This record gives sequence, structure tokens and C-alpha cells, in this order.
Amino acid sequence: NAGVMQNPRHLVRRRGQEARLRCSPMKGHSHVYWYRQLPEEGLKFMVYLQKENIIDESGMPKERFSAEFPKEGPSILRIQQVVRGDSAAYFCASSPSGSGSYEQYFGPGTRLTVT
Amino acid sequence: KQEVTQIPAALSVPEGENLVLNCSFTDSAIYNLQWFRQDPGKGLTSLLLIQSSQREQTSGRLNASLDKSSGRSTLYIAASQPGDSATYLCAVQTGANNLFFGTGTRLTVIP
Repeated sequence: NAGVMQNPRHLVRRRGQEARLRCSPMKGHSHVYWYRQLPEEGLKFMVYLQKENIIDESGMPKERFSAEFPKEGPSILRIQQVVRGDSAAYFCASSPSGSGSYEQYFGPGTRLTVT
Repeated sequence: KQEVTQIPAALSVPEGENLVLNCSFTDSAIYNLQWFRQDPGKGLTSLLLIQSSQREQTSGRLNASLDKSSGRSTLYIAASQPGDSATYLCAVQTGANNLFFGTGTRLTVIP
């Protein structure tokens, strides 16, 4: 059973470009979470999605950031018009359930560098 | 709002020593608490998960305890090894479905 997959592992973008980060959850998991880890800071929740639904986006910046989890295919975190402050590690996690107590399984992360 | 604090921020110990990492959280209404390990430039490896109804969990040389009422957890590592060197993160799950993370303790085990 493959774990949570993220790609690319490293992404370099120039200021103003778009960044697309992909996350494939573990088999059988229909709940996906995105977290961001800024340099020298802890991980911060961004968004929680189920298939075709955004459940909680309270941690997402109001502008330039969007996320989706389509019926088929991976979850996508999209950052438009990237700025240097977007440079961070972005982690995806998945779980089999979204209610009660459950373990979240993390992917290896995508390290975004904005030049 | 839930806040998670980890003390100390960094710790160096000689190989073979037993050690304790601390985690505290402000809101005791949690579902569970997880301890993770993160190696430099890598992802998170889950070490232990303690349900809110449990007091401790053990895996090999690791033992984690939870005192929900006082908002504290400890991770005990026995007979430390250089391979244990990493950053250790604790995180609590609340009813909001997301995890709140501490900023971690960076552990260095000196051979």
C-alpha cells in the first residue's frame, strides 16, 4: 500500500508564475489536508478537502491560493502569481475518515522556492 | 484558539542517555495527540498517536504520555542513538479536523 504521494518534490518558480502542487492520498483515503511549513516555523493548517468538496479552508490565504480534490485524480494546491514569501515546504496528509479521532498520514512534501 | 508549545527548542545529549521532550497545549478539548519525527529536508514520520482517553503509548524505545486535563504530553526516548537525531514535533487534533503543531524540538545525539 503506497503512502501519500506528492509531486513534484522540489519546485522552483520565478515571481509572478503559477505553482501547482499535487497530492495523491493513500489508497482508500478520501480526506486530504494541506499544511505549510515556512522556514524556521511550525506546520500550519491550510485546507481540508473531501472528494469534490472543500470542507475547511480557514487556513488558506485569501488571495492567490486555491485547492481542489476532484472526483478523479490527485488533490491540487494552486498558487497564482507566486511571491518570495510563498517559499516553503507544503505537506499533504490523508485520512480514511473525517470525523472523530483518526490518524493523518503525511506525504514527503513539496519544497517550493520562489526566485 | 489552540496553541501548542514544545520545550526545549533544541537538545544535545550523549549517546545512550535517556531523554524527555515536552509538549503543552492550551485547549484540552482534543481528540488525540501525535508525535512525529522530521529529518532535515524530509517529510513527517508518525511515531505515536495517543487517543484522548489514553494515558500513554509505547513503541520500542519510545514512550509517550498524555495528561489531557493539564494540557501536557511527554515523549520519552530510552537509550538514545545517533540515528535518533531529528526534529520531533507534537500535534493535537481538535474537533476542527486539522492538526495544530508545535514548533518542534531539534534533538542531536552525540556519538
